[in-house]
Amino acid sequence: AQKVTQAQTEISVVEKEDVTLDCVYETRDTTYYLFWYKQPPSGELVFLIRRNSFDEQNEISGRYSWNFQKSTSSFNFTITASQVVDSAVYFCALSERGTGANSKLTFGKGITLSVRP
Amino acid sequence: DTGVSQDPRHKITKRGQNVTFRCDPISEHNRLYWYRQTLGQGPEFLTYFQNEAQLEKSRLLSDRFSAERPKGSFSTLEIQRTEQGDSAMYLCASSISQGVRNEQFFGPGTRLTVL
Repeated sequence: AQKVTQAQTEISVVEKEDVTLDCVYETRDTTYYLFWYKQPPSGELVFLIRRNSFDEQNEISGRYSWNFQKSTSSFNFTITASQVVDSAVYFCALSERGTGANSKLTFGKGITLSVRP
Repeated sequence: DTGVSQDPRHKITKRGQNVTFRCDPISEHNRLYWYRQTLGQGPEFLTYFQNEAQLEKSRLLSDRFSAERPKGSFSTLEIQRTEQGDSAMYLCASSISQGVRNEQFFGPGTRLTVL
């Protein structure tokens, strides 16, 4: 069975600090997809990034970067120079290829990020 | 607005009543998903459709829950004989099933309160 663990529950930083959100996953599938979503106070989940299990290249997109390590089953997400508008709940999610390329997402419990001015 | 839409946004009902929610996916998306989110938790998968076919149902989806997508476009989720434990945010998402672009896009949700 697939599982996503977000051990951090709440993080508070001061604006302009860098912050890393941790995610550890479990899956028996060899092909899977990992995602980060953001849920601001308004409540709507916003897609941020997707990573395929067969592509371990880490990337940077603007202030976002991610570190995918198969060896440790981790998919960590970093926000550089955080801003107040980054305050939200961040969810890591997993989808297994074996149950269909676009099958259900399994979410972690989320990390509440507060960015103070 | 071409995103996923859900109606109603809020629903308050008394225990034992039936409720129905509607979801309109992004127009070119052939997959539609329902999730439930309770306070302080991540969304939990309920069911999903590819076109009009319901391909998977979670064991969270008891006999009181039924979902339909009759023409492969909008979907409805009905809860019969609501219980207080059904109080949650019900989220709908859609995606396209071609290639590797499988990210799901979510609607604003319907918040259900059962008194």
